[in-house]
Amino acid sequence: GNSVTQMEGPVTLSEEAFLTINCTYTATGYPSLFWYVQYPGEGLQLLLKATKADDKGSNKGFEATYRKETTSFHLEKGSVQVSDSAVYFCALTKNTGNQFYFGTGTSLTVIP
Amino acid sequence: DAGVIQSPRHEVTEMGQEVTLRCKPISGHDYLFWYRQTMMRGLELLIYFNNNVPIDDSGMPEDRFSAKMPNASFSTLKIQPSEPRDSAVYFCASSRGGEAFFGQGTRLTVV
Repeated sequence: GNSVTQMEGPVTLSEEAFLTINCTYTATGYPSLFWYVQYPGEGLQLLLKATKADDKGSNKGFEATYRKETTSFHLEKGSVQVSDSAVYFCALTKNTGNQFYFGTGTSLTVIP
Repeated sequence: DAGVIQSPRHEVTEMGQEVTLRCKPISGHDYLFWYRQTMMRGLELLIYFNNNVPIDDSGMPEDRFSAKMPNASFSTLKIQPSEPRDSAVYFCASSRGGEAFFGQGTRLTVV
């Protein structure tokens, strides 16, 4: 079946630290991969995406590379800010049917 | 476009009452999803529609939950009768293939 596994949280970092949130997936065929971010009291927002192997999605200093050989899509940022404090969700969708599969979310807190 | 619009933003109701949550998807999107989010269970897919037709409702907890999409611009999620364990944030999302766009959610509290 299709599923997404992401690292357990919560993650607490100091401002300007390097961030990695691991995400691996299981899927048949060639899924599209996404990172969503949820700020307190809000809905999920798309952060970045990649639709095929070796694609790199990037936005707001965040990056993730679609690695088919390791079935991974790890989220990275070189220098986090307090404003990055949020819950991050890894997700995949198959190109047929369009059903989304979300990970459990990783809570990030950045302290000054 | 104003994005996915959900109403109400907050709902407090007594156990046993009927609750109706509403969603207006982004115009032109042909997929609509209802999710429930709780601390214990995370984000759960309840049901999704394609072109107003329910495709997969296996995530609907029980018969107390029902969802409809009478047209391309409106969907409802109804809980009747409501129970305290239904307290959660309910999200609607829409898609046209590719990424899903989420509404702000409805925070439901059943007392």
